[in-house]
Amino acid sequence: RKEVEQDPGPFNVPEGATVAFNCTYSNSASQSFFWYRQDCRKEPKLLMSVYSSGNEDGRFTAQLNRASQYISLLIRDSKLSDSATYLCVVNVGYGNKLVFGAGTILRVKS
Amino acid sequence: NAGVTQTPKFRILKIGQSMTLQCAQDMNHNYMYWYRQDPGMGLKLIYYSVGAGITDKGEVPNGYNVSRSTTEDFPLRLELAAPSQTSVYFCASRPLAGGEAGELFFGEGSRLTVL
Repeated sequence: RKEVEQDPGPFNVPEGATVAFNCTYSNSASQSFFWYRQDCRKEPKLLMSVYSSGNEDGRFTAQLNRASQYISLLIRDSKLSDSATYLCVVNVGYGNKLVFGAGTILRVKS
Repeated sequence: NAGVTQTPKFRILKIGQSMTLQCAQDMNHNYMYWYRQDPGMGLKLIYYSVGAGITDKGEVPNGYNVSRSTTEDFPLRLELAAPSQTSVYFCASRPLAGGEAGELFFGEGSRLTVL
């Protein structure tokens, strides 16, 4: 089983739609979780950290489900500019080994 | 602010050649990482370091070596380059040990082609 797994998509959605991505992780001791956004051929940029209690930043909401070992990202009112690859990042176990999922492609269309 | 600086940005190697990808950060971060990203794929962790003199293997360390003699620098060495090492290489640093903080700061990437 991979340490971090994501549905690669692509998710093709119209502008204004709500879309959700999940990311599962295999090590129950993992403590740090992040969502990154990557535009074509660029370095990843932090979208948001995922806190235990869940957190929201504008149209973006991140949740952590420790029991089922997954994190989620919800994007409301999708914009054309949200088109990108969304990467989840998890520290494996108790240490500082940060592992990326393969990424989920989002395409928002007018 | 320089942040994380990678050199070179582009390089073409012949099979069997060796080279070093340089990575430097000026943020006094303890943690540094090397990832590779193949076309259409996610980032794979090659090596990481939690401080000067300490390095550890990631998911795909074979064919690479690293060293961390200073806090600022974390070079990645490719020995006997192979076409399978054609990829984009990203270096990143991180300021905190863990918990809910600890954003990764990335360099702009080094695009390596092995022919």
